[in-house]
Amino acid sequence: GQNIDQPTEMTATEGAIVQINCTYQTSGFNGLFWYQQHAGEAPTFLSYNVLDGLEEKGRFSSFLSRSKGYSYLLLKELQMKDSASYLCAVRGGDYKLSFGAGTTVTVRA
Amino acid sequence: IAGITQAPTSQILAAGRRMTLRCTQDMRHNAMYWYRQDLGLGLRLIHYSNTAGTTGKGEVPDGYSVSRANTDDFPLTLASAVPSQTSVYFCASSDSVGGSNEQFFGPGTRLTVL
Repeated sequence: GQNIDQPTEMTATEGAIVQINCTYQTSGFNGLFWYQQHAGEAPTFLSYNVLDGLEEKGRFSSFLSRSKGYSYLLLKELQMKDSASYLCAVRGGDYKLSFGAGTTVTVRA
Repeated sequence: IAGITQAPTSQILAAGRRMTLRCTQDMRHNAMYWYRQDLGLGLRLIHYSNTAGTTGKGEVPDGYSVSRANTDDFPLTLASAVPSQTSVYFCASSDSVGGSNEQFFGPGTRLTVL
């Protein structure tokens, strides 16, 4: 089975930086995804990591360490619209995605 | 149609009734998936299809069935609904199962079984 852990909630101030950690234990590994989900809406893709290191996409960056079973999503220059749930998902050896429960980020003015 | 559509948007269903949730995509993606999302549990895979004509069981398949007669459609059927199947159901698709191919999600169906 798969075990994916991420914090339940985080709060930050507009313009600040927030780092959402994700640790995982999976049977095999074929990539890690981060999704953003606003309340009442569908998840939307943010980033993909399969090799160790940092992937940067504008204000969002994602890091992966396969040996440590660890990833983080970094959100810079926070905006009110970034208030959402962030889902860490690992694609295991069977190529199926397993999702963490999600981290709800609240951005305050 | 653009992307993935699901129907109905929401439904209240009596326990014991049969229900089919519809999912259609127009991206010609090979793989399609059904997830349920429950508070505190995240998204859990119910069934999947890697290509038209094939289906497989996910993490929580009991009480659900699927079919994949063509590339575009992937209906999910609850043969006899039970209250524990109250959830938000998301259909998703991806071009293939590997590589950097992300999954695209439909808007979801909110199902309440009484």
